[in-house]
Amino acid sequence: EDQVTQSPEALRLQEGESSSLNCSYTVSGLRGLFWYRQDPGKGPEFLFTLYSAGEEKEKERLKATLTKKESFLHITAPKPEDSATYLCAVQAWDSSYKLIFGSGTRLLVRP
Amino acid sequence: KAGVTQTPRYLIKTRGQQVTLSCSPISGHRSVSWYQQTPGQGLQFLFEYFSETQRNKGNFPGRFSGRQFSNSRSEMNVSTLELGDSALYLCASSLDGEETQYFGPGTRLLVL
Repeated sequence: EDQVTQSPEALRLQEGESSSLNCSYTVSGLRGLFWYRQDPGKGPEFLFTLYSAGEEKEKERLKATLTKKESFLHITAPKPEDSATYLCAVQAWDSSYKLIFGSGTRLLVRP
Repeated sequence: KAGVTQTPRYLIKTRGQQVTLSCSPISGHRSVSWYQQTPGQGLQFLFEYFSETQRNKGNFPGRFSGRQFSNSRSEMNVSTLELGDSALYLCASSLDGEETQYFGPGTRLLVL
């Protein structure tokens, strides 16, 4: 069964303290891995799509990487406005285009 | 380019009623997917429509249904509402399903 596990569930950082979020996945065949950011009461905001092992993508203070079993979202020198829930999702090479989501990592960055 | 829009943003219903939610995708996107988000189950896939046809369906009871119109706008309907249907219902659009899905702000449904 296709599955996504994110860790940690929650993370508290001081402003400027870099860290990484983990997304482990089990999927029959990976079509794509997606990272989203979700603020309270809002819909998920797209961050990155990764398609193959070794791929990396960057955007401001965020960098996403992908291996055959997991993905990392690295946050460099975070700011309070980076506080949000970060969601990881996979899409499999089957007849469905559904996204399978992890439970997310709640990030709090304190000033 | 305008993003995905969903209406209404908030709804309060009572058990046994039915509800219809609406989603307008990003211009040019032909695939619309629906997800249910709850604190206990997280984000779960409901169904996906492409060119007015349901291509995929998640593991939800038949009370949950949807449709897509020729302009790619989509609606989902929940009949005989139950307390457990209280959730944030999210719509996402993509070019054809395979590409990145972009989410709307959601409709928060509260069933009393």
